Amino acid sequence: KNQVEQSPQSLIILEGKNCTLQCNYTVSPFSNLRWYKQDTGRGPVSLTIMTFSENTKSNGRYTATLDADTKQSSLHITASQLSDSASYICVVSSPRSSNTGKLIFGQGTTLQVKP
Amino acid sequence: DTEVTQTPKHLVMGMTNKKSLKCEQHMGHRAMYWYKQKAKKPPELMFVYSYEKLSINESVPSRFSPECPNSSLLNLHLHALQPEDSALYLCASSQAVSASGANVLTFGAGSRLTVL
Repeated sequence: KNQVEQSPQSLIILEGKNCTLQCNYTVSPFSNLRWYKQDTGRGPVSLTIMTFSENTKSNGRYTATLDADTKQSSLHITASQLSDSASYICVVSSPRSSNTGKLIFGQGTTLQVKP
Repeated sequence: DTEVTQTPKHLVMGMTNKKSLKCEQHMGHRAMYWYKQKAKKPPELMFVYSYEKLSINESVPSRFSPECPNSSLLNLHLHALQPEDSALYLCASSQAVSASGANVLTFGAGSRLTVL
């Protein structure tokens, strides 16, 4: 069964600290993996998208890595800010699911940054 | 314009009301989506429109009725809803529905629906 699992489920860190969120998937075959940030009560906003051949991609203080062999991805947040408090969702696309418009969502990691 | 605009932002309705949620994008995207999201859960796919035709209905109850009047607009008509239908309804769009990854979704801010 195609699944996407994220850890930890929730995380509290102090402002200015770094953190890493994990995403493991069993989706096969694989098209791409995206990380979205979702503020409470708002729609998800795309942070990065990675294809099979990409190992790392940065977007400001956000850096995503992908290991397609082990089917693992991570999202590293550097020098966290209060505005980073949000849910971070890992979404995987498979050619089979993409053809129908379906994406496979992880359950998300809720990050809280405290002053 | 790189946005998906949803209206209204908040909607409160009774179980006998008829209301509609609206979604608009002007990015030239040919695929549009409705998702339902409950608190602390990931979005759940409801409907997919591809080139203005309904391509996916994830066994959604008929009290939810989607409509795609043109390539820029997507509506969700609501009738005889239940309190458990209260949720954040997200609209999204993508260039196309394809296996190549062109379906990178751009989400709207959502419509928060409360059914009394």
